[in-house]
Amino acid sequence: QQPVQSPQAVILREGEDAVINCSSSKALYSVHWYRQKHGEAPVFLMILLKGGEQKGHEKISASFNEKKQQSSLYLTASQLSYSGTYFCGTEILSGAGSYQLTFGKGTKLSVIP
Amino acid sequence: DVKVTQSSRYLVKRTGEKVFLECVQDMDHENMFWYRQDPGLGLRLIYFSYDVKMKEKGDIPEGYSVSREKKERFSLILESASTNQTSMYLCASSRGTGGASRIGGYTFGSGTRLTVV
Repeated sequence: QQPVQSPQAVILREGEDAVINCSSSKALYSVHWYRQKHGEAPVFLMILLKGGEQKGHEKISASFNEKKQQSSLYLTASQLSYSGTYFCGTEILSGAGSYQLTFGKGTKLSVIP
Repeated sequence: DVKVTQSSRYLVKRTGEKVFLECVQDMDHENMFWYRQDPGLGLRLIYFSYDVKMKEKGDIPEGYSVSREKKERFSLILESASTNQTSMYLCASSRGTGGASRIGGYTFGSGTRLTVV
């Protein structure tokens, strides 16, 4: 049921790039991406809708492959502030006709000087 | 600044107690959600509500119930707390779901860390 994220953890030096992947076995309506810093609430980064792609931030972007039910989050020229745990959320249409957002287990990203 | 407010940051309860976790949002959002977060397991959906007095089970509803009497308030109830319900509980709200959630996604509260002893 939960989407699968990879890698589980990654360490980057400032300025390096990273890719976080998210895959689901179910037909998806949308994919959300969130970042959570230690001791804080998850913060919405962006959403990718079925049939489209949306770029939320200048150096953080994402793609959504509907056929493969996969999404990837791209972080370019990483900054110290990018550190945190990244969660993908996959939105599916539930049996009751409402949409349900299910999160992956997260990817811990650490950016070091 | 829009907010989702959870009434308690930390709670300690005894096994068998009835526990109420409260969540209030000031964004006039239709949808509200309760998740629990455990190390290595991510966020798991307990219950959600897309309208007043409406509720729907998430992935792990066993041992929990919810109440939504007013649009801005969504309560999570542990009928008889058990030690395996020790966790961080996160409340969230959204303007809509499906395509409508593209407007700001989900907004989360700061969480309630519940310890059941």
